[in-house]
Amino acid sequence: GDSVTQMEGPVTLSEEAFLTINCTYTATGYPSLFWYVQYPGEGLQLLLKATKADDKGSNKGFEATYRKETTSFHLEKGSVQVSDSAVYFCALSDSNYGQNFVFGPGTRLSVLP
Amino acid sequence: DTEVTQTPKHLVMGMTNKKSLKCEQHMGHRAMYWYKQKAKKPPELMFVYSYEKLSINESVPSRFSPECPNSSLLNLHLHALQPEDSALYLCASSARGGRDNTGELFFGEGSRLTVL
Repeated sequence: GDSVTQMEGPVTLSEEAFLTINCTYTATGYPSLFWYVQYPGEGLQLLLKATKADDKGSNKGFEATYRKETTSFHLEKGSVQVSDSAVYFCALSDSNYGQNFVFGPGTRLSVLP
Repeated sequence: DTEVTQTPKHLVMGMTNKKSLKCEQHMGHRAMYWYKQKAKKPPELMFVYSYEKLSINESVPSRFSPECPNSSLLNLHLHALQPEDSALYLCASSARGGRDNTGELFFGEGSRLTVL
């Protein structure tokens, strides 16, 4: 079945450092790819998405590019802030399987001042 | 501000109690979901309603009973729960249901349940 793999962390960075969180997937169809963020005590919020190969999603300084050849959707940010401390989930939605929405295990990010 | 509203935000119940979690969305979405999330884990799918009909039940114990009174509302009725059912329960919606849905899920802020 479909699956999502991501580095689980925790990842600890200093403020203004560069962030990369790796995400790779396996899917039999043509999935849409997502990054969700969960701040402490809250639900999940969509951070960005990409629906086809070579699409780049971006939001709040975060970016990720849908790479079909490497089945990857790595999350990057050039300069993290303390307020970016949260858990980040990579996810896919595979249209070939209807409502199949698969989450990765999540990566906990802590940004220190 | 989230467009999926869940109540209550916190709930403490005993193992013999009956309680309900409620979820509401006014985005015209036709699919609604219940997820369970334990600490430091991703959400786990429990139920999916598509066009107000139950379309997926991920082998959830019968002490959890979902209900979809209309396209905007989703309830989760709880009865005779166990302490291991303590978790964050997340409601979500998506624009379309079934095989047409390739769009994102919109999540509420969750109801944190503690079973004593």
